Amino acid sequence: NAGVTQTPKFQVLKTGQSMTLQCAQDMNHEYMSWYRQDPGMGLRLIHYSVGAGITDQGEVPNGYNVSRSTTEDFPLRLLSAAPSQTSVYFCASSYSFGGRSGQETQYFGPGTRLLVL
Amino acid sequence: GDSVTQMEGPVTLSEEAFLTINCTYTATGYPSLFWYVQYPGEGLQLLLKATKADDKGSNKGFEATYRKETTSFHLEKGSVQVSDSAVYFCALRLTGGGNKLTFGTGTQLKVEL
Repeated sequence: NAGVTQTPKFQVLKTGQSMTLQCAQDMNHEYMSWYRQDPGMGLRLIHYSVGAGITDQGEVPNGYNVSRSTTEDFPLRLLSAAPSQTSVYFCASSYSFGGRSGQETQYFGPGTRLLVL
Repeated sequence: GDSVTQMEGPVTLSEEAFLTINCTYTATGYPSLFWYVQYPGEGLQLLLKATKADDKGSNKGFEATYRKETTSFHLEKGSVQVSDSAVYFCALRLTGGGNKLTFGTGTQLKVEL
């Protein structure tokens, strides 16, 4: 049971380049989400998904796209990278979106550190 | 809107000292409250949680009590160890808000020998 995995661990991009951050979980979790972590700002929700084929925007969605074709995978796409997207990105998953007691604990991946020049 | 406010760090303590990290929140309704810990180079891990007023969450010697009257969820530990050095995040999840978490800015704890 690998939990939540993210690739790559570190990436350097030039402004305007595109890339996909990968996230996968092997716990059959319904709910998956992407956060970005910036100094002094905690974690902010980018996009989330409550199941395959269903996604929605979080607090800071601009510049990012997501899709959820399978339960296991939830990739995050940067279409045209900007220096403001330099951050650490975390993927998280949990059993339940509805928050049934005991099932709402979110499990986080190790993070992807992205530098946009 | 909903928000979480944590004390700024870094907090530097000697081993075996008492720890308090303050956390207060603003939310509509009655949220569930969480403390997550992030060790260097790793993702966040759930440390403890409380889902209703007066609940006490506890784990690994850490405790926090959900205080509705003061909208607080302060993290405490009686005797910290060097291995507790990490960043601690307070977070809330609204009832009926799905599983979206609102995080505080994090408090870095450094424990020295």
